[in-house]
Amino acid sequence: AQRVTQPEKLLSVFKGAPVELKCNYSYSGSPELFWYVQYSRQRLQLLLRHISRESIKGFTADLNKGETSFHLKKPFAQEEDSAMYYCALRHLSNSGTYKYIFGTGTRLKVLA
Amino acid sequence: KAGVTQTPRYLIKTRGQQVTLSCSPISGHRSVSWYQQTPGQGLQFLFEYFSETQRNKGNFPGRFSGRQFSNSRSEMNVSTLELGDSALYLCASSLGDKNEKLFFGSGTQLSVL
Repeated sequence: AQRVTQPEKLLSVFKGAPVELKCNYSYSGSPELFWYVQYSRQRLQLLLRHISRESIKGFTADLNKGETSFHLKKPFAQEEDSAMYYCALRHLSNSGTYKYIFGTGTRLKVLA
Repeated sequence: KAGVTQTPRYLIKTRGQQVTLSCSPISGHRSVSWYQQTPGQGLQFLFEYFSETQRNKGNFPGRFSGRQFSNSRSEMNVSTLELGDSALYLCASSLGDKNEKLFFGSGTQLSVL
């Protein structure tokens, strides 16, 4: 069965320190992975997706099929990065349509 | 372009009652998905509608149902409310039929007393 695991509920780092939010997935097919972010009092929104291979707000994420991981990284955390981060897997369902599975989320707190 | 709109913003109900939540997607978006968000479980998928048809369904009991209208607006209904139904219910819309990017609403916070 498809699954997305985010092992950390809370991650606290100091401003300027590197950040790594972990995400592991379980899927037998070809995965499409995403990171969604929810800042305080804002809507959940797409941060980045693996197929774009882009860096958004200094964050990057590399899909590692061997380790079935899609960790989110940033070399120097900023206070404005404090938010709830969700890793998500988009997959083809039995009905032939696409579905999302979200992890349980990791709250990132960047301390001054 | 207006974002995804969910109404009402807050709801307080008692056990056994039923509730209807509404979601208006971004103009032109035909897919609407519903999620239950709780601190412990994260986002759990309820169901998805596309062109008035339910395309996918999550693992929630039959008390949870939904529908989509011809203008793509969607409603979610929960009958015989239980305390455990207290959660933030999020609606997301997407443009095409492949759900490549989800646009979320602000959610409806449901409290069951």
